[in-house]
Amino acid sequence: GAVVSQHPSRVICKSGTSVKIECRSLDFQATTMFWYRQFPKQSLMLMATSNEGSKATYEQGVEKDKFLINHASLTLSTLTVTSAHPEDSSFYICSATEAGGRLGYNIQYFGAGTRLSVL
Amino acid sequence: GDSVTQMEGPVTLSEEAFLTINCTYTATGYPSLFWYVQYPGEGLQLLLKATKADDKGSNKGFEATYRKETTSFHLEKGSVQVSDSAVYFCALSTGANSKLTFGKGITLSVRP
Repeated sequence: GAVVSQHPSRVICKSGTSVKIECRSLDFQATTMFWYRQFPKQSLMLMATSNEGSKATYEQGVEKDKFLINHASLTLSTLTVTSAHPEDSSFYICSATEAGGRLGYNIQYFGAGTRLSVL
Repeated sequence: GDSVTQMEGPVTLSEEAFLTINCTYTATGYPSLFWYVQYPGEGLQLLLKATKADDKGSNKGFEATYRKETTSFHLEKGSVQVSDSAVYFCALSTGANSKLTFGKGITLSVRP
């Protein structure tokens, strides 16, 4: 149990285009989903926290108009990188926690990540 | 604010060697502590956790004990395997929103 699917695993796009990344909880309902960015050989940087049906909470320094997050259902959150530029190239990872904490209090379950390369 | 400090890496060991990866933390509240592992090209997987002082988390031969007096959560394994080669992240969480604060991670390479 507690599987989080992230798609696509890798995307290459031209500068100026927008890219959408999906994060799905396959076997549980996720009250809260998190989006992280990971630079090479560095830790995960939390970008935003999203709760189903409400606006995402962005961390300081993260442009909300650049990184659009939608959490329309208890099993799906999307991150859209708008007008991507080479500096947006990174590894993006989502995670989810279960409503009610049946799987364990405060446990985040992670997707496999999306490698974004902007040319 | 909350922070997690991990020892500098990378770490290279021979198979069957003893492993210790140090982790200390600073938190304003009473945190839960975690170790996550990231295998090459994959997302993070929860390795083990501890939610209160003196708790010992264990999984797959790895152990870590929540030490409130030293604010530490060091990861240990008595005999590492080549398959343990990965990046290990120490993390903490405080509050009901499950927000995690990660350490920088350390790369472990185990030689046959």
